[in-house]
Amino acid sequence: AQSVTQLGSHVSVSEGALVLLRCNYSSSVPPYLFWYVQYPNQGLQLLLKYTTGATLVKGINGFEAEFKKSETSFHLTKPSAHMSDAAEYFCAVSASGGSYIPTFGRGTSLIVHP
Amino acid sequence: NAGVTQTPKFQVLKTGQSMTLQCAQDMNHEYMSWYRQDPGMGLRLIHYSVGAGITDQGEVPNGYNVSRSTTEDFPLRLLSAAPSQTSVYFCATKPQSGTGWDTQYFGPGTRLTVL
Repeated sequence: AQSVTQLGSHVSVSEGALVLLRCNYSSSVPPYLFWYVQYPNQGLQLLLKYTTGATLVKGINGFEAEFKKSETSFHLTKPSAHMSDAAEYFCAVSASGGSYIPTFGRGTSLIVHP
Repeated sequence: NAGVTQTPKFQVLKTGQSMTLQCAQDMNHEYMSWYRQDPGMGLRLIHYSVGAGITDQGEVPNGYNVSRSTTEDFPLRLLSAAPSQTSVYFCATKPQSGTGWDTQYFGPGTRLTVL
């Protein structure tokens, strides 16, 4: 079985400040990890993903995430928040074989203040 | 390519009515799925399909039916709508079944209200 926990349903930052959205996962097999972003009244779109290889993954719009196996974490960061980053962010975990169907976290709403 | 399309965008039903939410994709993806999104609950999987003619239940299947007669289409049927089914529904596809590294592609969603 696999699961995802996103710490904090809401995160508020000032424009220009560091963004840190936390994701911890549980998986009995090597995981594939994803971050998706949902802008208001839209569907989800991929921000970045970790499959194999380099543990620091870079995505679109300046976001990156680091896979830390020892901490079972895949936290999302961005050095400097922009107003356009305000959105809902979802972490997801999957694997191959019997666990290929992704499991999503409950989401974190990022609020960016001017 | 249109990607994943969903119709309608908005729908209001009365309790007990039935309806079908449509999902179509033009990417020849094997895997298709339906999620519902509720505040504080994230995305919950309703049903999924690994190919034409094959469907299976997800986490919250009660009150919903699906079928997959073609690769392109995966309609979701509400047989007798209940207020608890008020939600935003998303269709999502990915290229292959059985592999976990694929990206999922989401439709724009259908916002359903059941009175």
